[in-house]
Amino acid sequence: DQQVKQNSPSLSVQEGRISILNCDYTNSMFDYFLWYKKYPAEGPTFLISISSIKDKNEDGRFTVFLNKSAKHLSLHIVPSQPGDSAVYFCAASLISNFGNEKLTFGTGTRLTIIP
Amino acid sequence: KAGVTQTPRYLIKTRGQQVTLSCSPISGHRSVSWYQQTPGQGLQFLFEYFSETQRNKGNFPGRFSGRQFSNSRSEMNVSTLELGDSALYLCASSEGQVNTGELFFGEGSRLTVL
Repeated sequence: DQQVKQNSPSLSVQEGRISILNCDYTNSMFDYFLWYKKYPAEGPTFLISISSIKDKNEDGRFTVFLNKSAKHLSLHIVPSQPGDSAVYFCAASLISNFGNEKLTFGTGTRLTIIP
Repeated sequence: KAGVTQTPRYLIKTRGQQVTLSCSPISGHRSVSWYQQTPGQGLQFLFEYFSETQRNKGNFPGRFSGRQFSNSRSEMNVSTLELGDSALYLCASSEGQVNTGELFFGEGSRLTVL
């Protein structure tokens, strides 16, 4: 049962334009949602997160939007740069008495920025 | 601060063999998690250790096991390897307290089973 889904395996965007990556989830109990970025031959790196009690979080060129009623979140990158070309993973976590180091990941979206 | 270090980076095994992967977390981090990445499956959670105790476990067979040492270094072991175990195994560390889920990943160990 895939609780976090990224339905677009790939996305190509012109440099300077907006990149929008989407993610859907099924478990309404998730407490945090995160985006990780992964370059080939490297481990994923944390990009941005949002608490389930918020609907928007912004960090520089990156903004994450959360729509709880639709169980949907999106990552906006504006403006897109060639260095943004990578695989982006959506992830969700549940806070428990034992911390919340268990993340549920989507399958990833490969973003290609076209110069 | 040094990042998360995983060894070996690449290894090839044959079916039926076993393998041990090692992970050294960021200094001061007490939580170590392991994930398996395969094409089309994303990252799947294997288990998480905190202060030498397994706190969380994913839905993997008993052939997958792990442990954590007093210095927070962790190892994972896969016994009786199957072709489907070919994957990138990623280790991640964090301080281990309740946080937003931000993990620091190593570069991974790529296992190929022939």
